[in-house]
Amino acid sequence: AIWMTQSPSLLSASTGDRVTISCRMSQGISSYLAWYQQKPGKAPELLIYAASTLQSGVPSRFSGSGSGTDFTLTISCLQSEDFATYYCQQYYSFPGTFGQGTKVEIK
Amino acid sequence: EVQLVQSGAEVKKPGESLKISCKGSGYSFTSYWIGWVRQMPGKGLEWMGIIYPGDSDTRYSPSFQGQVTISADKSISTAYLQWSSLKASDTAMYYCARPVAASPYDAFDIWGQGTMVTVSS
Repeated sequence: AIWMTQSPSLLSASTGDRVTISCRMSQGISSYLAWYQQKPGKAPELLIYAASTLQSGVPSRFSGSGSGTDFTLTISCLQSEDFATYYCQQYYSFPGTFGQGTKVEIK
Repeated sequence: EVQLVQSGAEVKKPGESLKISCKGSGYSFTSYWIGWVRQMPGKGLEWMGIIYPGDSDTRYSPSFQGQVTISADKSISTAYLQWSSLKASDTAMYYCARPVAASPYDAFDIWGQGTMVTVSS
């Protein structure tokens, strides 16, 4: 099984900040990584897949990078609607495990 | 519009059986896998298993193998998640989701709204 370490678990930031979330794998997964946003009481929404491909309709302030074992989600200019929990997911090997989540809260 | 619509919230007692559903519309239901994801209260996402409605090929995460059964009825474009004997630890929100492409190994771009299952005596 592939182990994932997502960090930080909690991130306090202000509107307008640039924030980064990291996801590290126990073994290489090429670019088979997705990022999701989840707001309270709602289903997750896909932001990025294939490590860096922006899902249709997702604002361009979201970006993903990395390959192999280290991946990053960046929000270039945090907006009020971006305060949420973010998850990475590897789909290189079965089962498609999720990271532990990063809650982005208002500072 | 492509969408997945799940059945409503359930409250059950330990030992009872349950089957929840996920109906797909707006796309060819038999051409895409449908996965199930668990989220326990206040916790993260867990990949449970996935089914291909076209031929009912089903894959389970080792953590959920033997604990749940995933099935589908392609005639009504509906996937199911069922338990034969619920436990309190099954209390969670359950999501169905469709992968981006026609592969069981992919990100999920379409999600159902979730079904809350509460198991309590």
